[in-house]
Amino acid sequence: DAGITQSPRHKVTETGTPVTLRCHQTENHRYMYWYRQDPGHGLRLIHYSYGVKDTDKGEVSDGYSVSRSKTEDFLLTLESATSSQTSVYFCAISEIGGGYGYTFGSGTRLTVV
Amino acid sequence: AQSVTQLDSQVPVFEEAPVELRCNYSSSVSVYLFWYVQYPNQGLQLLLKYLSGSTLVKGINGFEAEFNKSQTSFHLRKPSVHISDTAEYFCAAHSGGGADGLTFGKGTHLIIQP
Repeated sequence: DAGITQSPRHKVTETGTPVTLRCHQTENHRYMYWYRQDPGHGLRLIHYSYGVKDTDKGEVSDGYSVSRSKTEDFLLTLESATSSQTSVYFCAISEIGGGYGYTFGSGTRLTVV
Repeated sequence: AQSVTQLDSQVPVFEEAPVELRCNYSSSVSVYLFWYVQYPNQGLQLLLKYLSGSTLVKGINGFEAEFNKSQTSFHLRKPSVHISDTAEYFCAAHSGGGADGLTFGKGTHLIIQP
């Protein structure tokens, strides 16, 4: 989607290796979110950010960490990838929070073997 | 915290027939409700939202939804579907205000049969 890009789009990694996914926005929005999408589970919130260096945990944060050192970038790190973290990861941005005005990225498909 | 239940994981319907996708949310003093659509291998797009006011909300592509507070429901409807409506549909909720994210249902796969 315009204004938000995720990288990489696809990644295959081995169990136990660290992995970092990047979400980059050009909209200068304050709020950024990481979700994972799994069949039968819909989208579940991993972490979110409400400003530079301001982050908090979501519903499924175990095994994940995030960082936001500047407005435009929100990084999701899997410190030691496991097969249960095989998923499609979506980033979303929002100007005003409160659940509305989300714009989603195109997703990163991560496979942990 | 909010919870969202989409009652059907899959809904098959013939082309040009009407469709209803069901969504229930947990009760809250104030709630914002949303429907998103996801086409294959794409991100999510907003179909419509309810923040306040009229309980009948119209969205893009001919979809509409009705907020029913007494039944804690927000069902999505379209009077006549097309093949191009084949997609995954997600209902989502937020308990008003706050920086935390939306809570999504598990999704309903709408399958349009010719």
